[in-house]
Amino acid sequence: AQKVTQAQTEISVVEKEDVTLDCVYETRDTTYYLFWYKQPPSGELVFLIRRNSFDEQNEISGRYSWNFQKSTSSFNFTITASQVVDSAVYFCALSESKNTGGFKTIFGAGTRLFVKA
Amino acid sequence: NAGVTQTPKFRVLKTGQSMTLLCAQDMNHEYMYWYRQDPGMGLRLIHYSVGEGTTAKGEVPDGYNVSRLKKQNFLLGLESAAPSQTSVYFCASSYKDQPQHFGDGTRLSIL
Repeated sequence: AQKVTQAQTEISVVEKEDVTLDCVYETRDTTYYLFWYKQPPSGELVFLIRRNSFDEQNEISGRYSWNFQKSTSSFNFTITASQVVDSAVYFCALSESKNTGGFKTIFGAGTRLFVKA
Repeated sequence: NAGVTQTPKFRVLKTGQSMTLLCAQDMNHEYMYWYRQDPGMGLRLIHYSVGEGTTAKGEVPDGYNVSRLKKQNFLLGLESAAPSQTSVYFCASSYKDQPQHFGDGTRLSIL
């Protein structure tokens, strides 16, 4: 079964702190894709990163970094030196191919991050 | 740079009324999706389409119908609206397994 768990409902940090958002997924497929999206207070959904199941390399993009570990089925997201503008809801998502064609994507419930000045 | 456009942006319905939400994309994407977002539940897939003329059920399809008569459009219909369908609805499109591009959402209230 396809499932994404973001156990942290809300996190509150003070500016410049580092923060890690957890994502644990379940899938029976060997080929799948993982994503992180950001939803700022304005409401739009913004793509952050995509990873396929065969690429376990960690990635860093500025203050953002991602740690993908197949052994623990986790795809965690770390923000270094957080800023107020990082305040948003962050969603982890899992995409699998279906027999009927297409890719079915399941989102986690999201983690709301508050960064206080 | 329109991307994905949803209409309307807001709507209030009475229980039992019907309506159609329109999603249009200009990126020539084959795949389109409809999600609903409720507090604490993230985004849940209602229906999706892998191409013109095809649709498939997602996690929460009951009470909704969809149609994809043209590649660029994906319509979501509520035949008889219920208060439980009060939500924010997002449409998205993608090229196969690539990241999805989302519309700005439609806030729907059913009284």
